[in-house]
Amino acid sequence: AQSVTQPDIHITVSEGASLELRCNYSYGATPYLFWYVQSPGQGLQLLLKYFSGDTLVQGIKGFEAEFKRSQSSFNLRKPSVHWSDAAEYFCAVGTPGNKLVFGAGTILRVKS
Amino acid sequence: DADVTQTPRNRITKTGKRIMLECSQTKGHDRMYWYRQDPGLGLRLIYYSFDVKDINKGEISDGYSVSRQAQAKFSLSLESAIPNQTALYFCATSGGGMIQPQHFGDGTRLSIL
Repeated sequence: AQSVTQPDIHITVSEGASLELRCNYSYGATPYLFWYVQSPGQGLQLLLKYFSGDTLVQGIKGFEAEFKRSQSSFNLRKPSVHWSDAAEYFCAVGTPGNKLVFGAGTILRVKS
Repeated sequence: DADVTQTPRNRITKTGKRIMLECSQTKGHDRMYWYRQDPGLGLRLIYYSFDVKDINKGEISDGYSVSRQAQAKFSLSLESAIPNQTALYFCATSGGGMIQPQHFGDGTRLSIL
């Protein structure tokens, strides 16, 4: 069965520091992968998606993610974090029938 | 106005009550979904619908039912609410095709006492 693992429940980084959020997936075929961000009191907003092609994908708000098939990973990165990036981040894999399987989420705290 | 609107945004109710959460969308999407979010568990799919005549159970459908009243409306009901259904509920929509991003409403925070 498809699954997504986000190993880090919480991450704290200093403002201006780089960020990497980890995501590992389990899926038998070529995966369709997504990163979403949830700010407090709001729904999920799509940051970026990987369907095929270039393994480094660019998203909104300066985020990027790299698909590594050999490691079954799709880690999210940002070179310089801003205080407004504090939120919860979800990695998800798309399954047949356009259903999403989500990871448990990683809460990002940004310290000034 | 939001593309995906959920009502109510917050609800507190008692065990055994019937509750309906509503979702409407202006994106013109055929596909609609209901998820619940619990801390440490991410989002889990309750029900989904690919068109007005198509309703499918998700991962955790027990204790829930849905109605697709129109292309733009998809409601979730708890026939007899129980405390472990306390959660944050999200509606989402997507376009057709193989795999499309889903677009989420702002959620309904439901507390069952």
